[in-house]
Amino acid sequence: DIQMTQSPSSLSASERDRVTITCRASQTISTYVNWYQVKKGRAPKLLIYGASSLHGGVPSRFSGSGSGTDFTLTISSLQPEDFATYYCQQSFSLPPTFGQGTTVEI
Amino acid sequence: QLPLQESSPGLVKPSETLSLTCTVSGGSIFSSNYYWGWIRQSPGKGLEWIGSIDYRGSAYYTPSLRSRVNISVDTSKNQFSLNLKSVTAADTAVYYCARPLTPNTVLRGVIWAFWGQGTLVSVSS
Repeated sequence: DIQMTQSPSSLSASERDRVTITCRASQTISTYVNWYQVKKGRAPKLLIYGASSLHGGVPSRFSGSGSGTDFTLTISSLQPEDFATYYCQQSFSLPPTFGQGTTVEI
Repeated sequence: QLPLQESSPGLVKPSETLSLTCTVSGGSIFSSNYYWGWIRQSPGKGLEWIGSIDYRGSAYYTPSLRSRVNISVDTSKNQFSLNLKSVTAADTAVYYCARPLTPNTVLRGVIWAFWGQGTLVSVSS
């Protein structure tokens, strides 16, 4: 299985901060990376797919980059509704695997 | 939006079988060849893909659970189901059903675009 290593596991930030989360794959996976936002009791939300494509309806303050083994999710100006846990996921090969998550806290 | 709703069995005893159903609203489960999936999140752990199935019943499973899991589809009810046998406390998790963004993606390129809100299943005697 391809391992996805996310960092940091948690971070504290303030409203309007720029936040960056990284994800490293255990082997090269081109741009087969997606990012999700998860809040307790809510359906997880797809943010970014194909490493850098913004899913419909997702605010433009979210962006993704990277290819090969190293990927980044950036929130350019943190909003109150962005406090959540974020996961990367590789879709290069079965089984699709997720990072361990990054919790963004106030 | 594509509402997905998991059933809620709540509590399952160790060694028994966990059974969940996902009901798809707002679209037919066989309108296109999507691979409908089950994903779980154990307490304090990340997300784990369990398996996926298309409307014809073609299924793929994660290797670590393959010996205990079965996913089936009922097109007449617009539902797909998860059965996980011989459960232990390690199977306690929030279970999600989900659908990819595009059809025919399971071996490569699966993007989970539509999710249910999840159901907590606890394994305890």
